[in-house]
Amino acid sequence: DAGVIQSPRHEVTEMGQEVTLRCKPISGHNSLFWYRQTMMRGLELLIYFNNNVPIDDSGMPEDRFSAKMPNASFSTLKIQPSEPRDSAVYFCASSSFAYEQYFGPGTRLTVT
Amino acid sequence: RKEVEQDPGPFNVPEGATVAFNCTYSNSASQSFFWYRQDCRKEPKLLMSVYSSGNEDGRFTAQLNRASQYISLLIRDSKLSDSATYLCVVNGRNEKLTFGTGTRLTIIP
Repeated sequence: DAGVIQSPRHEVTEMGQEVTLRCKPISGHNSLFWYRQTMMRGLELLIYFNNNVPIDDSGMPEDRFSAKMPNASFSTLKIQPSEPRDSAVYFCASSSFAYEQYFGPGTRLTVT
Repeated sequence: RKEVEQDPGPFNVPEGATVAFNCTYSNSASQSFFWYRQDCRKEPKLLMSVYSSGNEDGRFTAQLNRASQYISLLIRDSKLSDSATYLCVVNGRNEKLTFGTGTRLTIIP
């Protein structure tokens, strides 16, 4: 299996622009998680889906962030408008049963 | 108080030595515990689960102390390849995992 796939791997954008991050979970996994990692705050859960349904979005920082999972093989995390403080590494992870999560390689986002 | 707290290190340890990290958690209702490993500029990967009775996987031993709400990781006969950041992970509600900020380990030749 290819593992969790994320794109793009790197994104540099200007403040105010829209950013869309993409994730393809491992086939057969029914849960998908979006995390953000920074030096100051470590790894934070933003939102997770189970069977394509958002279960908990309490970690989404504000209305500028939104996430969708239109089908079992694809999810997006969108930031609009982006701000410099959104600069971080964004990871997507998936799991087929509780707790053992497999992470993608991450998207390194820089907002200037 | 943070939900999961770890000493950030860094721990600089000579090759072949034994090193141990602890981690404390605040939610006494937590049920599952893990150690993940993260190499520089890479994604976290599951190292091992932590069971109530303690468990061992080769050179790695994990222990859980529910009464004191801490978990530990012991690495024996450390190798250069063990250099990484070790993340303590505790489950929350449903499938939510809460990650510590990690302990950085560097094995010195």
